[in-house]
Amino acid sequence: GENVEQHPSTLSVQEGDSAVIKCTYSDSASNYFPWYKQELGKRPQLIIDIRSNVGEKKDQRIAVTLNKTAKHFSLHITETQPEDSAVYFCAAPREAAGNKLTFGGGTRVLVKP
Amino acid sequence: EPEVTQTPSHQVTQMGQEVILRCVPISNHLYFYWYRQILGQKVEFLVSFYNNEISEKSEIFDDQFSVERPDGSNFTLKIRSTKLEDSAMYFCASKIVFGVGQPQHFGDGTRLSIL
Repeated sequence: GENVEQHPSTLSVQEGDSAVIKCTYSDSASNYFPWYKQELGKRPQLIIDIRSNVGEKKDQRIAVTLNKTAKHFSLHITETQPEDSAVYFCAAPREAAGNKLTFGGGTRVLVKP
Repeated sequence: EPEVTQTPSHQVTQMGQEVILRCVPISNHLYFYWYRQILGQKVEFLVSFYNNEISEKSEIFDDQFSVERPDGSNFTLKIRSTKLEDSAMYFCASKIVFGVGQPQHFGDGTRLSIL
């Protein structure tokens, strides 16, 4: 089955700096990669996703890049703000059956004011 | 914006008791999921459900677990005889159509505490 590895597990940045989180996946058939943000005690919330026919996608301060050859994708947050503090999960869905999501281990991001 | 809703938000149950977690997926969604998240760990897939049957289930989803869509709106997860290790946050998710490019939308979760 799909295996998703995520690094780093924790990330502390100064407000205004950038944060980068990286994920690798094992199934070369995967072609859709969502990123979820989870605040303490809350639901995972989809913040951005990318399909394999593009290499990069941006939405304001958030961007995701994808390298299908190397089987990795990354989340970039620029000009970080305290409200960006949360746990971020990458995921990859399975093509077959019910398209279950396999999540990475999560990255706890702390933005220090 | 439509949301997936889950009840209760917190359930405390004695070990060995049955528990039912309830979810109302987004109304025009056709695919439904349960995931769980043990405190401080990643989200893990339990089961997917479509057209009134299970599409896929994980190793965690043993014969103590069952899912049901008893009517046109609710989607339930039942744990027959709870164990201490079932303590976790349980998330319901739904999506509109088949295809990996469609996002799954999550509910706020039910925190299940087994005593």
